[in-house]
Amino acid sequence: AQTVTQSQPEMSVQEAETVTLSCTYDTSESNYYLFWYKQPPSRQMILVIRQEAYKQQNATENRFSVNFQKAAKSFSLKISDSQLGDTAMYFCAFRNGANSKLTFGKGITLSVRP
Amino acid sequence: GAVVSQHPSRVICKSGTSVKIECRSLDFQATTMFWYRQFPKQSLMLMATSNEGSKATYEQGVEKDKFLINHASLTLSTLTVTSAHPEDSSFYICSARPGSSTDTQYFGPGTRLTVL
Repeated sequence: AQTVTQSQPEMSVQEAETVTLSCTYDTSESNYYLFWYKQPPSRQMILVIRQEAYKQQNATENRFSVNFQKAAKSFSLKISDSQLGDTAMYFCAFRNGANSKLTFGKGITLSVRP
Repeated sequence: GAVVSQHPSRVICKSGTSVKIECRSLDFQATTMFWYRQFPKQSLMLMATSNEGSKATYEQGVEKDKFLINHASLTLSTLTVTSAHPEDSSFYICSARPGSSTDTQYFGPGTRLTVL
């Protein structure tokens, strides 16, 4: 079975600064996908970024980028130029290539300070 | 694109009654929909996976007779909480996957259920 670990329950960052959220996972699969989802106070889950395991290049989406270390099974999210609207819970998630189900980490609460 | 809606957004009911929650994919056809449950400040727990036209697959520990799931069309799945009790109070979230297994899941806004 796959597991996703987010060991930091909370983090805080000053507006305009950069913050990195960590995530590790465990799997014996070679074909899989990794995701970061954001859940703001509205509780709407929003896809932030997605990474295919077969791609060596780290995914980026504007201010959001990942550091995907396949051998270390690490998938961290870097948020640059943090904004107040980035305040939310962030969930790291894993999906097996042949399976639709997402396995979520416990999440991390990120607070951006003005 | 890829919008998923849920209705109602919040519902309060008396213990012993049944509650139906709808999940709709508004601008795409969803061959697979998922139902999650989330307690405050916790992660999403997958309850079941539903495929259009077939029976839902429930996760271990989820009572299929209590949480009835119907996926009658490619744009609609429903979750019925039967004989609800206060311990069923939670935030229920659905997600939908457009087509192939490589597609991303898109989430609905969630439904807050309170059972008195």
